[in-house]
Amino acid sequence: GAVVSQHPSRVICKSGTSVKIECRSLDFQATTMFWYRQFPKQSLMLMATSNEGSKATYEQGVEKDKFLINHASLTLSTLTVTSAHPEDSSFYICSARWRMWESTDTQYFGPGTRLTVL
Amino acid sequence: RKEVEQDPGPFNVPEGATVAFNCTYSNSASQSFFWYRQDCRKEPKLLMSVYSSGNEDGRFTAQLNRASQYISLLIRDSKLSDSATYLCVVNPGTGNQFYFGTGTSLTVIP
Repeated sequence: GAVVSQHPSRVICKSGTSVKIECRSLDFQATTMFWYRQFPKQSLMLMATSNEGSKATYEQGVEKDKFLINHASLTLSTLTVTSAHPEDSSFYICSARWRMWESTDTQYFGPGTRLTVL
Repeated sequence: RKEVEQDPGPFNVPEGATVAFNCTYSNSASQSFFWYRQDCRKEPKLLMSVYSSGNEDGRFTAQLNRASQYISLLIRDSKLSDSATYLCVVNPGTGNQFYFGTGTSLTVIP
């Protein structure tokens, strides 16, 4: 399967700082990447859809000014959590959409970033 | 009504047992279907795609029933390492959205 990397894997920061998370598709080009958040023992929650060369589409309830998404190339999307607070502590996972043929259209996930805000 | 619904479980089964999960979807025009596996504190990993004709990969069999709008995953001869949460994912075929079920928790007991 396709490979997606995410960096950093774990970050601990002080309240009020900003944290940048990178998501890369290593062996394919992804025009679409997705950002999810998952709290302990809960389901994945889609935060936003990141489209290469255009603005991200945010899900209802997700603040676009707080979670800045940039998808400047076909292999890289970044999520910046601005002015992080303890309630932003969560597991952030990106995925990249992989389309090979008409019948192959799926997502591959990065390994996730565990964010802890003190 | 949710786009994708799954029984959250938990399913606790003994080693060697056969277990089946179902997942229903609401959009009859949905194009493609997948099962992902997510281990605790890890990212989801693609387990298998689900085709109209059904597909099998070792101990795992996935089937699609378009008439009743559900997909299923059958695990035969369960192993301890099969313990995980299994996510049903549906691609409606339009737009960029994929729809995830909430996941079904499986624990295989020695």
